Amino acid sequence: QSALTQPASVSGSPGQSITISCTGTSSDVAGYNYVSWYQQHPGKAPKLMIYDVSNRPSGVPNRFSGSKSGNTASLTISGLQAEDEADYYCSSYASSSTLMVFGGGTKLTVL
Amino acid sequence: EVQLVQSGAEVKKPGESLKISCKGSGYSFTIYWIGWVRQMPGKGLEWMGIIYPGDSDTRYSPSFQGQVTISTDKSISTAYLQWSSLKASDTAMYYCARAYYDVLTGYLYFEYWGQGTLVTVSS
Repeated sequence: QSALTQPASVSGSPGQSITISCTGTSSDVAGYNYVSWYQQHPGKAPKLMIYDVSNRPSGVPNRFSGSKSGNTASLTISGLQAEDEADYYCSSYASSSTLMVFGGGTKLTVL
Repeated sequence: EVQLVQSGAEVKKPGESLKISCKGSGYSFTIYWIGWVRQMPGKGLEWMGIIYPGDSDTRYSPSFQGQVTISTDKSISTAYLQWSSLKASDTAMYYCARAYYDVLTGYLYFEYWGQGTLVTVSS
């Protein structure tokens, strides 16, 4: 199962909004509402930010939102803050044998 | 507060065996799946496998099936990741994470993460 496709990097200025895309296929992203997103600061463990395409765990700021259209899922961060600078990974259900697949990751730089 | 505390960094030689651990606290250990995720140096995340401590039901990613063994000791709320013969390519950070896994749909994601265990394999 191939990894989901994410842009290698995105950037934005404080206060702006950015969107990170996660492109899969009809067999994963498009076929199910089973997408999650993770944030990883350098040298730290990942943190769950979004599950079920658009749900936020308790404690995650509402500046973070998720959506999906066809075979592409998206993570949008509004009101960008310096602390949002991190790597972001998407994941999706893939099949009954593979279960889940991660995207390659996107480095977010806050200018 | 859910906490997952992993064992410390390891330096091993190729061919050696290794077992790293992950102790859960702040929740009922036996009723949540727990899994392992690999991150090779400078690379992305790869899920390796998950286990249900209540009955030791285990699911492996096809990429890691036969390469590692996942187990638990529910009496001490601890999960393990084990290698019988390490290779240099096993050098990576390994994270344990409490998982949400729906057996019926196969939906899997990781809710809470440990701090990671760095495994270095070098001759």
